[in-house]
Amino acid sequence: GAVVSQHPSRVICKSGTSVKIECRSLDFQATTMFWYRQFPKKSLMLMATSNEGSKATYEQGVEKDKFLINHASLTLSTLTVTSAHPEDSSFYICSARGRLETEAFFGQGTRLTVV
Amino acid sequence: GQNIDQPTEMTATEGAIVQINCTYQTSGFNGLFWYQQHAGEAPTFLSYNVLDGLEEKGRFSSFLSRSKGYSYLLLKELQMKDSASYLCAVRDGNYQLIWGAGTKLIIKP
Repeated sequence: GAVVSQHPSRVICKSGTSVKIECRSLDFQATTMFWYRQFPKKSLMLMATSNEGSKATYEQGVEKDKFLINHASLTLSTLTVTSAHPEDSSFYICSARGRLETEAFFGQGTRLTVV
Repeated sequence: GQNIDQPTEMTATEGAIVQINCTYQTSGFNGLFWYQQHAGEAPTFLSYNVLDGLEEKGRFSSFLSRSKGYSYLLLKELQMKDSASYLCAVRDGNYQLIWGAGTKLIIKP
């Protein structure tokens, strides 16, 4: 399958700071990127969908000013958690899909801990 | 509303067979996915069904009945490494992925 690389895998930051998470498709052009959040023992919660060159579409209840998504190229999307608080601590996962792909491929996930 | 139901937890014995069921009610249907997720890791793709019937891939098989809104994932010759959560997801009429809460599978020796 295709390879999606997510970085960093783990990050600890202080409350009030911002954290950027990168998601790269290594061997295909990702026309669509999905960002998920997952709480312990819970399923994936879709935060937003972004198409290359367009603004991200956020799911209801997700603050677009807090979770900034940029999908400037066909191989890179970034999620920036701004002014992070302890309640933002979670497992964030990206997935990417090419134009002709049936399935989306997941990155490794990022464990964010805000202290 | 849209809904995906699957059991919360199942236990099986190493070497045995287990079937994980998934029922769904969605607005439209454009395929059903099964993913495996080990604790602390991202999901990995297992199978995709869009037509009725059984898809076999090694020790894993997935079945779909669109008229019944039902799918199952069958795992044969269970190994300890199969202990994980198994997520059922349906792509609805708007091509949005609707996720089930996942089934935690515990394998005992």
